[in-house]
Amino acid sequence: GENVEQHPSTLSVQEGDSAVIKCTYSDSASNYFPWYKQELGKRPQLIIDIRSNVGEKKDQRIAVTLNKTAKHFSLHITETQPEDSAVYFCAARKGGNYQLIWGAGTKLIIKP
Amino acid sequence: NAGVTQTPKFRVLKTGQSMTLLCAQDMNHEYMYWYRQDPGMGLRLIHYSVGEGTTAKGEVPDGYNVSRLKKQNFLLGLESAAPSQTSVYFCASSRGQSTNEKLFFGSGTQLSVL
Repeated sequence: GENVEQHPSTLSVQEGDSAVIKCTYSDSASNYFPWYKQELGKRPQLIIDIRSNVGEKKDQRIAVTLNKTAKHFSLHITETQPEDSAVYFCAARKGGNYQLIWGAGTKLIIKP
Repeated sequence: NAGVTQTPKFRVLKTGQSMTLLCAQDMNHEYMYWYRQDPGMGLRLIHYSVGEGTTAKGEVPDGYNVSRLKKQNFLLGLESAAPSQTSVYFCASSRGQSTNEKLFFGSGTQLSVL
């Protein structure tokens, strides 16, 4: 079955620097890759997603890149701010399947 | 418009006790899901529903049952709680027009089984 590995588990960056979180998936039939952000004690919320027919997607300071050949996708956050501190989860879904397979999460710490 | 509402927010059970978690959504969503979140393991799907009257097993269904008698409600039951079911439970919903849609999550239920 599908497996999603997420790295690193914790990432600490200086405010204003960039942060990159990487996920690797195992099932080449996966075609949908969302990223969710979960602030401490809050519910997960979708921040960006990408489909397999697209290599990159941007939304202001956030971007996601997809490499289908290598079966990995990454979240890029530029000009990090204190409010970016949270746990970020990646996920992958196979076409027509209702089940998202989630990575274990990355705790992003923004140092002032 | 409350979105997805879960009750209760916190609960402590003794081993062997039963309980039901209630999830309600007011967005007329077709799909509803129950996840559990454990440290270092991300979110794991317990059961899901693609419409009123339907349910299906997810990744970790053992020890749980669900019902979707009304479109807006999705209930998660634990018949005989075990310490391994100590977790944070999240309900989620999506519109249901495709499988690649944004999930709207409830605020979570912290369950401890002693």
